[in-house]
Amino acid sequence: NAGVTQTPKFRVLKTGQSMTLLCAQDMNHEYMYWYRQDPGMGLRLIHYSVGEGTTAKGEVPDGYNVSRLKKQNFLLGLESAAPSQTSVYFCASSGGAGGEETQYFGPGTRLLVL
Amino acid sequence: AQSVTQPDIHITVSEGASLELRCNYSYGATPYLFWYVQSPGQGLQLLLKYFSGDTLVQGIKGFEAEFKRSQSSFNLRKPSVHWSDAAEYFCAVLAAGTASKLTFGTGTRLQVTL
Repeated sequence: NAGVTQTPKFRVLKTGQSMTLLCAQDMNHEYMYWYRQDPGMGLRLIHYSVGEGTTAKGEVPDGYNVSRLKKQNFLLGLESAAPSQTSVYFCASSGGAGGEETQYFGPGTRLLVL
Repeated sequence: AQSVTQPDIHITVSEGASLELRCNYSYGATPYLFWYVQSPGQGLQLLLKYFSGDTLVQGIKGFEAEFKRSQSSFNLRKPSVHWSDAAEYFCAVLAAGTASKLTFGTGTRLQVTL
């Protein structure tokens, strides 16, 4: 039982490049989330999903897109990376309402945009 | 909207000393409250959570927290700190009916001196 895994662990991009971050969970959780962590700002929610095929915007969604084609996977895309998107990205999952509402986090992806 | 305040950005304690990290929340109803710990370069690990019932909750690694509704607080405590407790600590609140979304505080970095 791996819990929540994230790929890749570290990436360097040039401004304007695109990339996709992959999050996978093996806990059969309904809800999944993408956060970014910046110094002194805690974690801020980018997008989230309450089930396969559904996504919604969080607190800081601009510049990002997401997809949840399979229940166990949640993808975060950057179409045209900007230096302001340099951050550490965390994925989390939870059982959702009626289930386990605690969020479990992945190890993070460190992204540097030059 | 809910919010979380962690007034101490950085705390230094000696190994063996007691610890209290402060957390104040703003939410209209009874909240679900969490404390997470993040070691350098790692993801977030759940220390403990409060959903209902006994206002003093026990967590892993010898930590406990007390929910005080009258003070809107959920302070984290440990009677004797170990050098391995050096990390960043995040308090978070979950508002019911919001897709289990968490709102995080900005974190408190704990340094332990030997």
